Amino acid sequence: QQQVKQSPQSLIVQKGGISIINCAYENTAFDYFPWYQQFPGKGPALLIAIRPDVSEKKEGRFTISFNKSAKQFSLHIMDSQPGDSATYFCAASEDKIIFGKGTRLHILP
Amino acid sequence: KAGVTQTPRYLIKTRGQQVTLSCSPISGHRSVSWYQQTPGQGLQFLFEYFSETQRNKGNFPGRFSGRQFSNSRSEMNVSTLELGDSALYLCASSFPRMRGNTGELFFGEGSRLTVL
Repeated sequence: QQQVKQSPQSLIVQKGGISIINCAYENTAFDYFPWYQQFPGKGPALLIAIRPDVSEKKEGRFTISFNKSAKQFSLHIMDSQPGDSATYFCAASEDKIIFGKGTRLHILP
Repeated sequence: KAGVTQTPRYLIKTRGQQVTLSCSPISGHRSVSWYQQTPGQGLQFLFEYFSETQRNKGNFPGRFSGRQFSNSRSEMNVSTLELGDSALYLCASSFPRMRGNTGELFFGEGSRLTVL
């Protein structure tokens, strides 16, 4: 049973554009929603996270938008750069952290 | 501060064999989680250990097992290997997820297992 659904599977964006990755969850008991970034040959690392009592959180070029009623959240990367090319995982947590299947993002120079 | 260390980084086994993977967490972290990463399924939760006790378990068969030692180091074992067990096995350490603590995961670089 997939508790966190992530889309798209892969994404190509021009340099300077906006990258958008979407996730949906089922379990209303989730109370913490992190995004992890993974570069080739490395383990994932926490990028940004949000709690469900907040509708938006921004850190630099990265923004999480959260819609509690729709049980959806998304990651927006503004002014996307080639260095942002990586795999991004959304996740949700009640006790253990459950990950989506990941989005492979490629930023064209 | 040293990060999470996983050994071995790469290994090749044949069907039916067993394998043991090791994980040394960040100093001070007593929670260790294991994930299986495959191209089609992303990161799938295997289990979490805290203070030598299994705290959570994912939906994997009993061939997958783990343990944690008193120094918080952890091992996972896969017995009777199948071709489908080929994957990157990631270990992550953290402070335990509980009220007021997000339980941010700090991942190692993984052990890449190939089953022939």
